[in-house]
Amino acid sequence: DTAVSQTPKYLVTQMGNDKSIKCEQNLGHDTMYWYKQDSKKFLKIMFSYNNKELIINETVPNRFSPKSPDKAHLNLHINSLELGDSAVYFCASRPGGATKNIQYFGAGTRLSVL
Amino acid sequence: AQSVAQPEDQVNVAEGNPLTVKCTYSVSGNPYLFWYVQYPNRGLQFLLKYITGDNLVKGSYGFEAEFNKSQTSFHLKKPSALVSDSALYFCAVRSNSGNTPLVFGKGTRLSVIA
Repeated sequence: DTAVSQTPKYLVTQMGNDKSIKCEQNLGHDTMYWYKQDSKKFLKIMFSYNNKELIINETVPNRFSPKSPDKAHLNLHINSLELGDSAVYFCASRPGGATKNIQYFGAGTRLSVL
Repeated sequence: AQSVAQPEDQVNVAEGNPLTVKCTYSVSGNPYLFWYVQYPNRGLQFLLKYITGDNLVKGSYGFEAEFNKSQTSFHLKKPSALVSDSALYFCAVRSNSGNTPLVFGKGTRLSVIA
């Protein structure tokens, strides 16, 4: 069973469109994240939710809006897509409690904006 | 502010030889340090971590890393490289104080040649 699953795996779309990426974890973790990995493989955190509450919001355009309907899901909605949004987006989760715990990553969603 | 430096974009090593992937960090307070590995078209996988205790930590697949506080380094090592170790390796750090995000280095591509 996949621990952290993202859908879709690939997403090709036109500039200006609105799209969503879904993430689900079946590990019972309290905290979930979205990361963006650019073409040079640089990985940067975008958002973090703990028990459905936003706790980290890095400098990300407000066209990106995360939504956590429950603590097992953290979806990412992107409005008015731009060429620079093309990247691989990773969802991750970790258990609550001590801050030393390991993050578990999904396989990624490769977004291509044309 | 937290930061991680991985000075090498690429490391090439012959199969059977020892390998080292370098990482230095900057963090306020004491660090929690991690190594993750990314295989092609996959999410990141946890390899090992340093939280406290022994400076030499052992992880998955025969990898180990040594925490050196005076040099603020956490180099990844393996005594005998395998072709299957070829992948992208990320060092990451977070401060042990507060709910700070994990900050990743830019990654080092390891190629093990048969």
